[in-house]
Amino acid sequence: EVHLVESGGVLVQPGGSLRLSCVASKFIFGNYWMTWVRQAPGKGLEWVANINLDGSEKKYVDSVKGRFTISRDNAKNSLFLQIKSLRAEDTAVYYCARGYRWLEYWGQGTLVTVSS
Amino acid sequence: DVVMTQSPLSLPVTLGQPASISCRSSQSLVYSDGNTYLSWFHQRPGQSPRRLIDTVSNRDSGVPDRFSGSGSGTDFTLKISRVEAEDVGVYYCMQGTHWPLTFGGGTKVEIK
Repeated sequence: EVHLVESGGVLVQPGGSLRLSCVASKFIFGNYWMTWVRQAPGKGLEWVANINLDGSEKKYVDSVKGRFTISRDNAKNSLFLQIKSLRAEDTAVYYCARGYRWLEYWGQGTLVTVSS
Repeated sequence: DVVMTQSPLSLPVTLGQPASISCRSSQSLVYSDGNTYLSWFHQRPGQSPRRLIDTVSNRDSGVPDRFSGSGSGTDFTLKISRVEAEDVGVYYCMQGTHWPLTFGGGTKVEIK
């Protein structure tokens, strides 16, 4: 069964940076688009970014453009989300998911808390 | 951005009874390839979302057949034929036709 495990979520001060990781297993990682989705506490789901098979094409929601960078390492079956200039409104559980226009499998999420 | 509007926000249901959730989009979700990229997800408390339905009406593997999706264009529905206790949680629709991908606000299903 497809397995996605996120990590890297921490408590960070406003203006700080961090990198989230997602390790994939039980499928050929390099054959799939991958996506990050976030969920603020008690709120709904927000698509953040996705990346194509070789990392040459990336899409972002407008609210994170210029601050978030999605990347991948197919040799390590890993997806990343580099986040800088963190704001309070970035506080959320960040999920990685497999898919492009469809999100068929999700990880368990990692919590990012932005607070002083 | 395409706005996805779900109703109702909250849905108290009796075990064994049917339930229906509506999802409307601000633009047609028919893509140039002929597909309609409308999915439904279920999120139990404390868990990550699980996809139930893809491209309007295709149930994912392992999803009980009491779940069904229907609709076209801008108007979509998720139906549960007979609600079971494990069906509680929040249901989200999501469109994958237009960028950015957008989700409905969610419908919370609870047992009366």
